[in-house]
Amino acid sequence: SAVISQKPSRDICQRGTSLTIQCQVDSQVTMMFWYRQQPGQSLTLIATANQGSEATYESGFVIDKFPISRPNLTFSTLTVSNMSPEDSSIYLCSAQPRDRGYEQYFGPGTRLTVT
Amino acid sequence: SQQGEEDPQALSIQEGENATMNCSYKTSINNLQWYRQNSGRGLVHLILIRSNEREKHSGRLRVTLDTSKKSSSLLITASRAADTASYFCATDWGAQKLVFGQGTRLTINP
Repeated sequence: SAVISQKPSRDICQRGTSLTIQCQVDSQVTMMFWYRQQPGQSLTLIATANQGSEATYESGFVIDKFPISRPNLTFSTLTVSNMSPEDSSIYLCSAQPRDRGYEQYFGPGTRLTVT
Repeated sequence: SQQGEEDPQALSIQEGENATMNCSYKTSINNLQWYRQNSGRGLVHLILIRSNEREKHSGRLRVTLDTSKKSSSLLITASRAADTASYFCATDWGAQKLVFGQGTRLTINP
């Protein structure tokens, strides 16, 4: 299995600012993902964080709004740029260890409130 | 969209009873997984069932998969207060990324 930590756990931000969320895995993993979970809703995949190359974004999500970095096999960041109240959500990262097939391990999430 | 549907959306039962949740999906899948999310926290992987499997057990959990009906069910037996959580099914079709269902909110009453 993999243990995943996220920072910050929560934040309250003003409209128009940006927040960078960090995701750290305790072991090397092949795949890392970023999800958004709006209040009371399911998870929606934002992008796949690819090590050493640009992230792969899902429909409805763009790099200018959600830039992602993945400098190595254990770390990734997601930035939420030029925030509006509609960006208020829980942001979760997940990792897929090499030996676990398609199982994903999730971080505790970052609860973002934009005022 | 590939996203699945779960029913019921919410389920409330007495401790000790069994809880059954259902998940339906739209296209062919490679695997189907179930996850649990305690309030406001990250998801915990419960069980994975492959498309060529029909039933799988893990402790008090039993998962069935019917690919002809594009549906799965999760049964939790002898429920406990600690089982109170949201439960999500998630499917993949070989692309490694997951698509999550809408979730079932389960409440176990003491």
